[in-house]
Amino acid sequence: GNSVTQMEGPVTLSEEAFLTINCTYTATGYPSLFWYVQYPGEGLQLLLKATKADDKGSNKGFEATYRKETTSFHLEKGSVQVSDSAVYFCALSTNAGKSTFGDGTTLTVKP
Amino acid sequence: DTGVSQDPRHKITKRGQNVTFRCDPISEHNRLYWYRQTLGQGPEFLTYFQNEAQLEKSRLLSDRFSAERPKGSFSTLEIQRTEQGDSAMYLCASGGGDGTDTQYFGPGTRLTVL
Repeated sequence: GNSVTQMEGPVTLSEEAFLTINCTYTATGYPSLFWYVQYPGEGLQLLLKATKADDKGSNKGFEATYRKETTSFHLEKGSVQVSDSAVYFCALSTNAGKSTFGDGTTLTVKP
Repeated sequence: DTGVSQDPRHKITKRGQNVTFRCDPISEHNRLYWYRQTLGQGPEFLTYFQNEAQLEKSRLLSDRFSAERPKGSFSTLEIQRTEQGDSAMYLCASGGGDGTDTQYFGPGTRLTVL
């Protein structure tokens, strides 16, 4: 079956530091890949997505590239802000069906 | 576009009682999904609908759980004879309006079973 493995947290960074959250997946077929963000007290929000190999998703300074050869979709941001503190979930979806999520990585950014 | 809405936002019930949650998807979306999320975990898939047809159910969805989407618009998720292990956040998502796999999530219903 499908599975997503995320870098374990929590991750604590200083403002303006570089962020990487690792995500690898196992899937049958050709999945679409997603990063969702959950801010404290709020629901899941789509952060970015990529639908085929070598696609790069980007939003709000975050980027992730769909790497089929390494089955990875690592999330990066060059300079984090305090407002980026949240839980980040990597997910995949195949054939418009269910999504499979990782367990989430908690990011705390300190001023 | 008002987004996905869920009602209620919080539900506290006693063990053994039945509860029902409602989800209103984004209006042009034909797919609707239910997930369950417990503390420290990612969402786990429960079931999904394309229009009014229930196309897939997880093995997590015991006989006490039932979901409906009678007219292909809103959906309900009912849990009968609740157990303390049912305490979780129940998330609804919708998709299909843009031809991609993207799912848009509602705020969730937090269930506490005493």
